[in-house]
Amino acid sequence: QKEVEQNSGPLSVPEGAIASLNCTYSDRGSQSFFWYRQYSGKSPELIMFIYSNGDKEDGRFTAQLNKASQYVSLLIRDSQPSDSATYLCAVPNFGNEKLTFGTGTRLTIIP
Amino acid sequence: GAGVSQSPRYKVAKRGQDVALRCDPISGHVSLFWYQQALGQGPEFLTYFQNEAQLDKSGLPSDRFFAERPEGSVSTLKIQRTQQEDSAVYLCASSSGPGSYNEQFFGPGTRLTVL
Repeated sequence: QKEVEQNSGPLSVPEGAIASLNCTYSDRGSQSFFWYRQYSGKSPELIMFIYSNGDKEDGRFTAQLNKASQYVSLLIRDSQPSDSATYLCAVPNFGNEKLTFGTGTRLTIIP
Repeated sequence: GAGVSQSPRYKVAKRGQDVALRCDPISGHVSLFWYQQALGQGPEFLTYFQNEAQLDKSGLPSDRFFAERPEGSVSTLKIQRTQQEDSAVYLCASSSGPGSYNEQFFGPGTRLTVL
C-alpha cells in the first residue's frame, strides 16, 4: 500500500460545479497535510495546508481533514476552467520535512 | 531572487554521460530538497539539506546520484553514467527552516532526457 493514495482521474467537472478531490494516507502519526496544484509542464504550487481535524476554507477552496479515517479532501467551489490542473496531496514526514506525494488527480473543468 | 531557480531547464544526455543540475533556493532558506518526478506521477523525494549538511539521502536511487550544497545556498545534483530510467523532471524546493508546517517552494524543474 502506498503511503499516500489519490484517485488519478481524470476527473471532469462542469464549470460552476463543485470539484471534490480525495486523499488517504497510511501514517497515523502524520500531523499536517498539503494540497499542491500543478499545471501541465509547471512546478507544484501550494494552495492549501491543514493540520486540524475539520474544515479549512480559503476563498473557493476548502480542505477537510479526518485523522481518525486518515482522509483529507479538497473541495473547489464554483469551478473555473483555470482550475484545470493536477492536484497533488502531500504529507510531510514527522521529524523530517520531506514530502510524500500521492500520484495526483488530474482535474478538467468543462466550460 | 523572487523564487527558486534551476538550470538548465532542459537537458538531453546520451546514455553514459554525466550531468549536473543546479538549484538556487530562495535567499535565506535553510532547507533544500531534491525531488524526481516521472511522467504522470507525483514527485518522489531524493535528498534533503539543512544549510550545508545533507541530513537525508535515503531517496537517491543509486550511487550514481550525488548531491551537494557546500556553502549552504546553491545546490548541485550530479548524475553519473546516466541511464534511460533517469529520464524525469528534477525538482528543487526550499523552505525557511525545519518543521513540517513550513511551505516548500518549488523551482521550475530540469527536464532530463537520456537517449
